[in-house]
Amino acid sequence: SYVLTQPPSVSVAPGQTAEITCEGTNIGDKSVHWYQRKPGQAPVLVIYYDSDRPSGIPERFSGSNSGNTATLTIIRVEAGDEADYYCQVWDTDSDHFVFGTGTTVTVL
Amino acid sequence: QVQLVESGGGLVKPGGSLRLSCAASGFTFGDYYMSWMRQTPGKGLEWISYISYVGTTIYYADSVQGRFTVSRDNANNSLFLHMNSLRVEDTAVYFCARGSTGGSHFDFWGQGALVTVSS
Repeated sequence: SYVLTQPPSVSVAPGQTAEITCEGTNIGDKSVHWYQRKPGQAPVLVIYYDSDRPSGIPERFSGSNSGNTATLTIIRVEAGDEADYYCQVWDTDSDHFVFGTGTTVTVL
Repeated sequence: QVQLVESGGGLVKPGGSLRLSCAASGFTFGDYYMSWMRQTPGKGLEWISYISYVGTTIYYADSVQGRFTVSRDNANNSLFLHMNSLRVEDTAVYFCARGSTGGSHFDFWGQGALVTVSS
């Protein structure tokens, strides 16, 4: 089955940039979506189709996807960005949705 | 506004059964595919089932295949997950989520329902 690997944690100072990677074989050939989950809250879609932002998501959030790595970038990080982030794809070979292992973003 | 509200969670013994419900409002339920996901304590999100707009196409994760059954009632804007032969490792918060129109992502999620499998 298709596997998506993310770093367990990323720490960043307020105002700096956080980059969260999502590695998968030829992930650049797939559409990658990203979700933010804060404790006790429903997950929120923050990026879809690699780099599109849903309405209401700040422009500070952006995404890219190429080769074997997709990346979620958060610029000018704020305390409120502290959360778990998950990448997700649809695997056509297995007809399964696949989530990444998840990354905890800590704002120092 | 779009709302998804899960219910039916609780404590069940290993080998037992439980049915989760997801009440949808604020959109035309039958126009969207739906899925169930779960998050186990201290672990990540796991997709577990998909059901198409009218329920003709269904997929399951290997971890629940043969034990869980997803269904929907478009007339009553409801999604269900019937869980049988529950295991301790099925303990998790279960989320229902709305699939995007023509896409492969989930644009709205419920708050989740806790299922605890323990003797």
